[in-house]
Amino acid sequence: DQQVKQNSPSLSVQEGRISILNCDYTNSMFDYFLWYKKYPAEGPTFLISISSIKDKNEDGRFTVFLNKSAKHLSLHIVPSQPGDSAVYFCAASANDYKLSFGAGTTVTVRA
Amino acid sequence: DTGVSQDPRHKITKRGQNVTFRCDPISEHNRLYWYRQTLGQGPEFLTYFQNEAQLEKSRLLSDRFSAERPKGSFSTLEIQRTEQGDSAMYLCASSRGLTLSGANVLTFGAGSRLTVL
Repeated sequence: DQQVKQNSPSLSVQEGRISILNCDYTNSMFDYFLWYKKYPAEGPTFLISISSIKDKNEDGRFTVFLNKSAKHLSLHIVPSQPGDSAVYFCAASANDYKLSFGAGTTVTVRA
Repeated sequence: DTGVSQDPRHKITKRGQNVTFRCDPISEHNRLYWYRQTLGQGPEFLTYFQNEAQLEKSRLLSDRFSAERPKGSFSTLEIQRTEQGDSAMYLCASSRGLTLSGANVLTFGAGSRLTVL
């Protein structure tokens, strides 16, 4: 049962433009949402998180938006840089230990 | 601290053999997790330790799988009588629990890739 879904397997964006990654979830008990970034041959690394009591969290070039009524969140990267080319995973938690991950979106930033 | 270390990075084995993976978490983290990732999918939760106590096991963890964290430090994941369907990346992660933001942020190792022939 896939509770976290990333419906776009890939995204290509020009350097300097905005990257928008989307994520949908089905479990209304999720109270924290996290984004992880993964380079080849490395483990996922934490990027940014948001609590279900907020609708926006910003950290430098990265902003996460949460729409609880739609059970949808998105990650905005502005401006996109070549080093942002990676796989991005959306993850959610309904307790304080277990994360449920989406299948990931591969971002390619073109020069 | 060098982060979460996993060994070996890649293991190729024949069906029916036993394999064991080791994970060394970040030293001040009392929580340790095992996840499995197959091609085109995100990591799937397998099991979770708080100190040496194994607090939850996923239904994905059949009786051929066993995980231990004997002294609350490193952990091992053993797969007995491997099957081709066990081929995957096995990721270990650790955390200290909830952060100031309230999120439980996991730090992952680079993973141990298992190929069962």
